[in-house]
Amino acid sequence: EDQVTQSPEALRLQEGESSSLNCSYTVSGLRGLFWYRQDPGKGPEFLFTLYSAGEEKEKERLKATLTKKESFLHITAPKPEDSATYLCAVLQSYNTDKLIFGTGTRLQVFP
Amino acid sequence: GAVVSQHPSRVICKSGTSVKIECRSLDFQATTMFWYRQFPKQSLMLMATSNEGSKATYEQGVEKDKFLINHASLTLSTLTVTSAHPEDSSFYICSARLVAEPYFGPGTRLTVT
Repeated sequence: EDQVTQSPEALRLQEGESSSLNCSYTVSGLRGLFWYRQDPGKGPEFLFTLYSAGEEKEKERLKATLTKKESFLHITAPKPEDSATYLCAVLQSYNTDKLIFGTGTRLQVFP
Repeated sequence: GAVVSQHPSRVICKSGTSVKIECRSLDFQATTMFWYRQFPKQSLMLMATSNEGSKATYEQGVEKDKFLINHASLTLSTLTVTSAHPEDSSFYICSARLVAEPYFGPGTRLTVT
């Protein structure tokens, strides 16, 4: 069964303390893996798309990487404004447009 | 950049009434839009796929007579929650794809009293 699992469920960091969020997936025919940031009461905000193993994308303090089984979202020297829920989603196979979402990682960064 | 809007952002209605939520792609055309539901501290659950000019495709367990979807144009999809009940209270989010990347609306908080 196609599945996306994110870990940890929650993460508390001190400002400046770098860390990584994990997204493991088991899908047939990965078309793309997406990272989103979601603030409370708002819709997900697009961050990155990754298409193939070895690919990396970077934006400010965030860097996303992809292997054949998982993706990491690395946060370097986080700030309190990086606090949010980070969602990972995969687009599966070539016969459907459905996204499969992970359950998210709730990140809190303390000053 | 690509923007997806939703209206209203919040709605409170009485049990038994119907509520319509609009989803618009503001600077691109979307032949397919998606409607999700999200409960507190949970991830997004796909409800249905809205197809311009044809019937929506509903996920298993989602009542199509209760959640009516109309994709009338390439930039507008609507979700109508019919005869709403308190258990329909939730955060509803729509999505549209620009090329390969899905963009999400800001969400609509529905509260049924």
